[in-house]
Amino acid sequence: GESVGLHLPTLSVQEGDNSIINCAYSNSASDYFIWYKQESGKGPQFIIDIRSNMDKRQGQRVTVLLNKTVKHLSLQIAATQPGDSAVYFCAETPRIQGRRALTFGSGTRLQVQP
Amino acid sequence: DAGVIQSPRHEVTEMGQEVTLRCKPISGHNSLFWYRQTMMRGLELLIYFNNNVPIDDSGMPEDRFSAKMPNASFSTLKIQPSEPRDSAVYFCASTPPTLAGIGELFFGEGSRLTVL
Repeated sequence: GESVGLHLPTLSVQEGDNSIINCAYSNSASDYFIWYKQESGKGPQFIIDIRSNMDKRQGQRVTVLLNKTVKHLSLQIAATQPGDSAVYFCAETPRIQGRRALTFGSGTRLQVQP
Repeated sequence: DAGVIQSPRHEVTEMGQEVTLRCKPISGHNSLFWYRQTMMRGLELLIYFNNNVPIDDSGMPEDRFSAKMPNASFSTLKIQPSEPRDSAVYFCASTPPTLAGIGELFFGEGSRLTVL
């Protein structure tokens, strides 16, 4: 499969452990954030989103935490499985006008060891 | 339901040739985005359309790149002439109309372009 980044930071965890992937964003005007998962050879897939009026949101096995004070976003994956191995991207968008586009971070590679 | 459909999935061409990448967004979606992904620069927004109208093309690298959306179900990204540094995976994504003006992007599988 394709490699999306030879120099991506990598998080290696054991199957069944919890994973925490971090992301720092730079635009203080951003008010909407999304985490995406990208498997080799595929397009990014939506995992979970959060708006700036929240600091935590939970999905199935995933939790996103938002700290606007330090402009930090994290994705927590509970009971990590081999199928979670992928590159994870955070994305942000500021409210400017009209339709907005997402700006993506550089990504973190998650490797799950069986 | 069909997702975002991109073609070709893979293209290998020689420097100087014209390349046309195609995208069919999800039916009912009214915004379409073209992103480029490389190892060095990650995912970069090239251009996006809202209701078939280009809203922001500031990410288009240079005049060799052009994008069109003649109708709600089709968009093209053209590179003419192509150069080796254009080698990348090009993603198309679409979103449905939302009151908030923002929402999840639905990505296609990408078109991997190699320019020799």
